[in-house]
Amino acid sequence: NAGVTQTPKFRVLKTGQSMTLLCAQDMNHEYMYWYRQDPGMGLRLIHYSVGEGTTAKGEVPDGYNVSRLKKQNFLLGLESAAPSQTSVYFCASSGQYGYTFGSGTRLTVV
Amino acid sequence: SQQGEEDPQALSIQEGENATMNCSYKTSINNLQWYRQNSGRGLVHLILIRSNEREKHSGRLRVTLDTSKKSSSLLITASRAADTASYFCATDSTGANSKLTFGKGITLSVRP
Repeated sequence: NAGVTQTPKFRVLKTGQSMTLLCAQDMNHEYMYWYRQDPGMGLRLIHYSVGEGTTAKGEVPDGYNVSRLKKQNFLLGLESAAPSQTSVYFCASSGQYGYTFGSGTRLTVV
Repeated sequence: SQQGEEDPQALSIQEGENATMNCSYKTSINNLQWYRQNSGRGLVHLILIRSNEREKHSGRLRVTLDTSKKSSSLLITASRAADTASYFCATDSTGANSKLTFGKGITLSVRP
């Protein structure tokens, strides 16, 4: 089924650990995005990409890095996790007919 | 800062009633979108209205857009218990790159 797939779905990290969240889309979309969702805050844009090999900062980029080496994949990295990064992370891609969101990754940093 | 601001923050209605949710935004937009999110789940796209459109319908959903007031409303008619969810408006602003900016959301509870 066409769509956006996020892995993993759940993860618990200790403060200072690193991890990478993977987002994959099979719709040949140029644009991809990483958002975080915190209670009462809605979704906030972390980083986005307008095509393979490009990345740009969103509203809350600090503490995160991203890479778009292949058009279908958009990776979100946390180099040194902090409790403030406990959140639900959503990936999305967009094309001619709109946006498609993944089902989210619930990350807890202890 | 968040572009869209929804109103009210929470809404509780009886099944069968209509639910009206409002969204205001700050900058010029290409389009405005409404999403639904059930508890603990991902976002589901409901409807998109472009800046040159004033009203759009999809099933029991009716969306209006007033660009002069920078506001939109989402009407759900004949609500059902299954409509219980959080609803978000998101704006796709004018500019070089398309990216959505979300409001904080409205929690809708539909009582059976």
